[in-house]
Amino acid sequence: AQSVTQLDSQVPVFEEAPVELRCNYSSSVSVYLFWYVQYPNQGLQLLLKYLSGSTLVKGINGFEAEFNKSQTSFHLRKPSVHISDTAEYFCAVSDRNTGTASKLTFGTGTRLQVTL
Amino acid sequence: EAQVTQNPRYLITVTGKKLTVTCSQNMNHEYMSWYRQDPGLGLRQIYYSMNVEVTDKGDVPEGYKVSRKEKRNFPLILESPSPNQTSLYFCASSLGSSGIWGNTGELFFGEGSRLTVL
Repeated sequence: AQSVTQLDSQVPVFEEAPVELRCNYSSSVSVYLFWYVQYPNQGLQLLLKYLSGSTLVKGINGFEAEFNKSQTSFHLRKPSVHISDTAEYFCAVSDRNTGTASKLTFGTGTRLQVTL
Repeated sequence: EAQVTQNPRYLITVTGKKLTVTCSQNMNHEYMSWYRQDPGLGLRQIYYSMNVEVTDKGDVPEGYKVSRKEKRNFPLILESPSPNQTSLYFCASSLGSSGIWGNTGELFFGEGSRLTVL
């Protein structure tokens, strides 16, 4: 079985400051990793994904994440946030061996609150 | 426009009154799934479907039913809703097992249906 831990339920940050949202996973097999973003009153949309290759993955809106296999982490970063980045962010993992969305496991989410 | 459409977006009902939340996707996706989102618990999978007439339980299937008679539609049925089913529900779809990456877990979500059971 796999699990995802998002250590921070809320992260307040000032506009133009850098931010890191932490994600750790646990799995007995190799995984695919994802970050989804949920803006207020909307569904989730894919921010970025790690499937293979370079461990530094770039996504939309200036976000990036780094896969660290030894630390089983996939932290999300942005060097300078904007008010419009205020949203809830979900880390998710799926089983590489079965390669199926049926086993996509989500973390509990981190609410990023950007203020002036 | 590629999308997943859920209806209704908001619903208040009473205990025991059967209801159906519809979900339709126009991307010819094989895979569809229902999640519920609750504060502090993230998203939990209710049911999923790998293809037409193929459905399976997720992590929290109790009190729900689904059907997949057509590829594009995947309704969620609450036969006898109870207050603990008050939640925000999301339908999602994804490509099937074809393609180089197979079905990697990239999901396309609807905008959500907020259900309150009194």
